[in-house]
Amino acid sequence: AQSVTQLDSHVSVSEGTPVLLRCNYSSSYSPSLFWYVQHPNKGLQLLLKYTSAATLVKGINGFEAEFKKSETSFHLTKPSAHMSDAAEYFCVVGDSGTYKYIFGTGTRLKVLA
Amino acid sequence: NAGVTQTPKFQVLKTGQSMTLQCAQDMNHEYMSWYRQDPGMGLRLIHYSVGAGITDQGEVPNGYNVSRSTTEDFPLRLLSAAPSQTSVYFCASRIGQRGRETQYFGPGTRLLVL
Repeated sequence: AQSVTQLDSHVSVSEGTPVLLRCNYSSSYSPSLFWYVQHPNKGLQLLLKYTSAATLVKGINGFEAEFKKSETSFHLTKPSAHMSDAAEYFCVVGDSGTYKYIFGTGTRLKVLA
Repeated sequence: NAGVTQTPKFQVLKTGQSMTLQCAQDMNHEYMSWYRQDPGMGLRLIHYSVGAGITDQGEVPNGYNVSRSTTEDFPLRLLSAAPSQTSVYFCASRIGQRGRETQYFGPGTRLLVL
């Protein structure tokens, strides 16, 4: 069975410092992995996705994530946080064999001035 | 393209009332789905459809009905609203049913059941 775990429910960083949002997954199949961002009272926007091509995936707004099969991880990083990055971030695993798209419980990122 | 649209944006219901949340997409996507978002629980799949005339249940289908008469529209019906259905509802679509494709989300409908 597939599952995804976001290891931190809240993360606070200072503006200009690196961001690390952690995600571990479990999947019986070759997974597809996604990161979505949700700004307050908004819908979900795709940041990036991994579908078995390059293990380092670059997304929008300077975010990137690295797929590590040995660690079953897909952590999201950004070298320098901006105030506009404050939002909730969801790690999602998609089963390539079925319709399923499993969401993590989310990590709320706070950026301090 | 308008993408995925949802109406209404916000709704207040009394327990026992019925209503329909509308969802439409103009991208000719086969796959459409409804999720509910509750604090600390991420998004949970309610119902999904892999094409016109075909629907199936997700993780939390109880209390909700769906139909898919056209490729574009996928309404979600609450037949008798309960306070436990207070949530934010998101409609989504993608080009195929496989989990590899990018899913696009609507802006959400915030529902309060009193």
